[in-house]
Amino acid sequence: QVQLQESGPGVVKPSETLSLTCSVSGDSISSYYWSWIRQPPGQGLEWIAYIYHSGSTDYNPSLKSRVTISLDTSKSQFSLKLSSVTAADTAVYFCARASSSGFVYYFDYWGQGTLVTVSS
Amino acid sequence: DIQMTQSPSSLSASVGDRVTITCRTSQTIYKYLNWYQQKPGKAPKLLIYAASILQSGVPSRFSGSGSGTDFTLTISNLQPEDLATYYCQKTYSNPWTFGQGTKVEMK
Repeated sequence: QVQLQESGPGVVKPSETLSLTCSVSGDSISSYYWSWIRQPPGQGLEWIAYIYHSGSTDYNPSLKSRVTISLDTSKSQFSLKLSSVTAADTAVYFCARASSSGFVYYFDYWGQGTLVTVSS
Repeated sequence: DIQMTQSPSSLSASVGDRVTITCRTSQTIYKYLNWYQQKPGKAPKLLIYAASILQSGVPSRFSGSGSGTDFTLTISNLQPEDLATYYCQKTYSNPWTFGQGTKVEMK
């Protein structure tokens, strides 16, 4: 059974960098796409970025200038860094695995999510 | 960017009803469309991928249809445990946008 678990600070100060890690168990991280998605309180879902096991990445253009996603296959982890945060970045952050059917990708496994609050 | 419009934003239905949620895109996305169910305080759960393929373990009362720009999620014989918010998502071209969500409530 594939499991994903987010970890990181629950509170980040404005203008600082939000850093989260997703630990993957039950399957090899050396395949699939791995992604971050966030959900502000009471709002909808926003895809942030993905990374492929080869290291190739793609980012949501609305966040691209502030986001970095990386992969550590030796630890079966992938990470998110979001710089220059503001209150608008307060959200539950989910990590997820993207599988594919042909060229159609979909998120079939998700972490439970972690709430990150931006506050001084 | 390709715009996504999901409707309705909320609906109220009775147990046993047939419920339909639609997702429309501003340009064709072929069948690059997925549906998720999210219950309060939980992560989203994949229901349908590639517009019409039922994810393993998902009850057969859930079905998806459509291609191009118009897609539908149907819940036949609505059950109390289907109380949730439903999201469509496109994975054709960056960004992998989610719809605005449809909250399903019980009458």
